[in-house]
Amino acid sequence: ETGVTQTPRHLVMGMTNKKSLKCEQHLGHNAMYWYKQSAKKPLELMFVYSLEERVENNSVPSRFSPECPNSSHLFLHLHTLQPEDSALYLCASSQDSKGPTTNEKLFFGSGTQLSVL
Amino acid sequence: DQQVKQNSPSLSVQEGRISILNCDYTNSMFDYFLWYKKYPAEGPTFLISISSIKDKNEDGRFTVFLNKSAKHLSLHIVPSQPGDSAVYFCAASAGANNLFFGTGTRLTVIP
Repeated sequence: ETGVTQTPRHLVMGMTNKKSLKCEQHLGHNAMYWYKQSAKKPLELMFVYSLEERVENNSVPSRFSPECPNSSHLFLHLHTLQPEDSALYLCASSQDSKGPTTNEKLFFGSGTQLSVL
Repeated sequence: DQQVKQNSPSLSVQEGRISILNCDYTNSMFDYFLWYKKYPAEGPTFLISISSIKDKNEDGRFTVFLNKSAKHLSLHIVPSQPGDSAVYFCAASAGANNLFFGTGTRLTVIP
């Protein structure tokens, strides 16, 4: 496989469920990101991991819990979500620990479309 | 408040003509700008970028123009092709692990 892969592609969960989103990158990058895209809103950065350490969390609610066990894998653990958390969750990676600057670009996965009932 | 704005949610263009997608930003600290393209059921893919030290960058049919005084950038696609039909996102960065995205413009190229 190449690029950034995310599973599952679709997820429906109740407000009391616990689920996890998975992301894997095969590009040798050292930074990984979670973005959220809600309808008619811009992509919002949720978390950044650089060299497996979290460097940004942007005041995301604690019901979202990221985990980065190594530079190739990223998880987003979900628990007691709200209906307004329904959105497309995108994982991305880049090559530099400082994130997207002059010669660095984000490479995105296809996303997980999450519906919270 | 949104720092990157794409005020046109959609645009339709005839095949072979020029497509012009616009983007405005408010933060004068942004020093790097990118355009991403997104097809349905896929993640955004990088298309073209420009540094704030330039005012134009060209890559094949795609050209990005930056007007720093107006805090405006645009993406020109010429000639437009049906395969260009997608949602285009403008993004801006001031470094520090964050890109600010616009809400996207859906381009439809009519054969």
